[in-house]
Amino acid sequence: GENVEQHPSTLSVQEGDSAVIKCTYSDSASNYFPWYKQELGKGPQLIIDIRSNVGEKKDQRIAVTLNKTAKHFSLHITETQPEDSAVYFCAAVSGGSYIPTFGRGTSLIVHP
Amino acid sequence: NAGVTQTPKFRVLKTGQSMTLLCAQDMNHEYMYWYRQDPGMGLRLIHYSVGEGTTAKGEVPDGYNVSRLKKQNFLLGLESAAPSQTSVYFCASSYSIAGGHRETQYFGPGTRLLVL
Repeated sequence: GENVEQHPSTLSVQEGDSAVIKCTYSDSASNYFPWYKQELGKGPQLIIDIRSNVGEKKDQRIAVTLNKTAKHFSLHITETQPEDSAVYFCAAVSGGSYIPTFGRGTSLIVHP
Repeated sequence: NAGVTQTPKFRVLKTGQSMTLLCAQDMNHEYMYWYRQDPGMGLRLIHYSVGEGTTAKGEVPDGYNVSRLKKQNFLLGLESAAPSQTSVYFCASSYSIAGGHRETQYFGPGTRLLVL
């Protein structure tokens, strides 16, 4: 089955800096890669996703890149703000399936 | 729309007790899931359902049972709770329509369970 590795487990940045979270996956048939943000005491919420037919996708301050050859994808947050502090999960979904395999999460702390 | 709701929000059980966690969604989604979240372990799938009356095992199904008698509800049962089942439980749902992304999951707020 699919295996998703996520790094780092904890990331601490100063407000205004950029943050990058990286994930690798094992199943070459995976073709959908969502990112979820989980704020304290809440359930995860989708913030951005990418399909295997594109290499990059942006939405305001967040972007996701995908390297199919290397089987890794990354989340980039620019101009970080304290409200970006949360746990971020990457996931991969194999073609033909609809059930994501999640990474173990990254706790992002943005210091004012 | 309320989205995905979970009941209760928090519960303390003694070892051996039973309980049922309720998940409800008002988005007419076909698929529903139960996950557990433990520190450093991410989200692990317990059971899922692809429609009313159908259920299937996920990654960590032992010690849990589920039922989907109505499309909008998905119940998770613990017949004999164990301390290893102390966790935060999340329910999620997703939809399948022509051109829709059924892989996108909508999560509830979670149920914190402590088993003593």
